Amino acid sequence: TQLLEQSPQFLSIQEGENLTVYCNSSSVFSSLQWYRQEPGEGPVLLVTVVTGGEVKKLKRLTFQFGDARKDSSLHITAAQPGDTGLYLCAGENTGGFKTIFGAGTRLFVKA
Amino acid sequence: ETGVTQSPTHLIKTRGQQVTLRCSSQSGHNTVSWYQQALGQGPQFIFQYYREEENGRGNFPPRFSGLQFPNYSSELNVNALELDDSALYLCASSIGGYMGNTIYFGEGSWLTVV
Repeated sequence: TQLLEQSPQFLSIQEGENLTVYCNSSSVFSSLQWYRQEPGEGPVLLVTVVTGGEVKKLKRLTFQFGDARKDSSLHITAAQPGDTGLYLCAGENTGGFKTIFGAGTRLFVKA
Repeated sequence: ETGVTQSPTHLIKTRGQQVTLRCSSQSGHNTVSWYQQALGQGPQFIFQYYREEENGRGNFPPRFSGLQFPNYSSELNVNALELDDSALYLCASSIGGYMGNTIYFGEGSWLTVV
């Protein structure tokens, strides 16, 4: 059974601080996605990483896919209150039709 | 606004009843996936439909069933509801059945079973 473990589960920081969220698995994924979900809404895709070692930047967010395509990280620079939300990583299995989600990291950025 | 709409947004059912949830996918998307998200957890894959055929299924019992229609809209049916079925049910649409393509989620249907 493929599992994705996210850490930390909960993070409360001050505005302006940096943070990193981790997503780890013992399984290889053909691609990995990061989503952000706000209360009462569905997840919104932030990025998809496909190649081992790939790094993608989205403004203050930096996403990295591990060389072995088993893990990923999300780094946020100078966090803002608007970054508050549930961050989910999701991995696509090699069959391409089943996506596994982590349990999420709930981020709270205080002004 | 993702172009994926789900209905109803909220509903309450009694244990043992049946429920049908509906999803209208984004225009041009031929793949629909359904997820169950319990409070405080990540979404769990239920199944996926690609061009009206089930294309994969997660670890959910047969009382969870689905349909995809020629216009690619979809239904999730749950029979013999149990209290643990209380969750947010998410529909996601994409093209081609691969997550490498952009996937769009609806806002979900909140189901409470009492």
